[in-house]
Amino acid sequence: DAGVIQSPRHEVTEMGQEVTLRCKPISGHDYLFWYRQTMMRGLELLIYFNNNVPIDDSGMPEDRFSAKMPNASFSTLKIQPSEPRDSAVYFCASSLWRGGDSDTQYFGPGTRLTVL
Amino acid sequence: DAKTTQPNSMESNEEEPVHLPCNHSTISGTDYIHWYRQLPSQGPEYVIHGLTSNVNNRMASLAIAEDRKSSTLILHRATLRDAAVYYCILRDGGNTGNQFYFGTGTSLTVIP
Repeated sequence: DAGVIQSPRHEVTEMGQEVTLRCKPISGHDYLFWYRQTMMRGLELLIYFNNNVPIDDSGMPEDRFSAKMPNASFSTLKIQPSEPRDSAVYFCASSLWRGGDSDTQYFGPGTRLTVL
Repeated sequence: DAKTTQPNSMESNEEEPVHLPCNHSTISGTDYIHWYRQLPSQGPEYVIHGLTSNVNNRMASLAIAEDRKSSTLILHRATLRDAAVYYCILRDGGNTGNQFYFGTGTSLTVIP
């Protein structure tokens, strides 16, 4: 398997613009997670899905952030409008729940977002 | 949220064993102890996990205290490629929520 795929790998945009980050989870996985990493706050869970349904979005910082998972092989994280403080590395991860402790998360390479 | 305490940084000489400690004094009976690491410019990757007994795999060993209030990740022979941030995470095995909460981790420097 190719692993978790994220695009783009780097994104530079200007304040106020809409940004869309994309993620393709590992085939067959039923959980998908979006994280954000900054020097100040470390690695934060933003939202996660189970079988394409959002389960917990309590980590989404503001209404400017939204995430969707229209099918099992694709998810997007959208920021509209973007602000300089949104600059961070955004990671997508997926896992397969088989009960008990079988929930290893596999992370993508991340998208480095810079908002000018 | 993350309920673990780790040193901010550690150093090790290459080819020496490394013991990375983690305190989790409020661990519950159903919490699994997971370790992930993040190499520079990469996403985190799974290292090892356990519940009560010590665990070994090809990457590392996990030693869990008898009272489960602390654990130690052991890299038997550190290489330069092991330089990374190591995260100790508690995961509630009775909770199907499946989310992890990462703390600040321990930044491991390996000295040639």
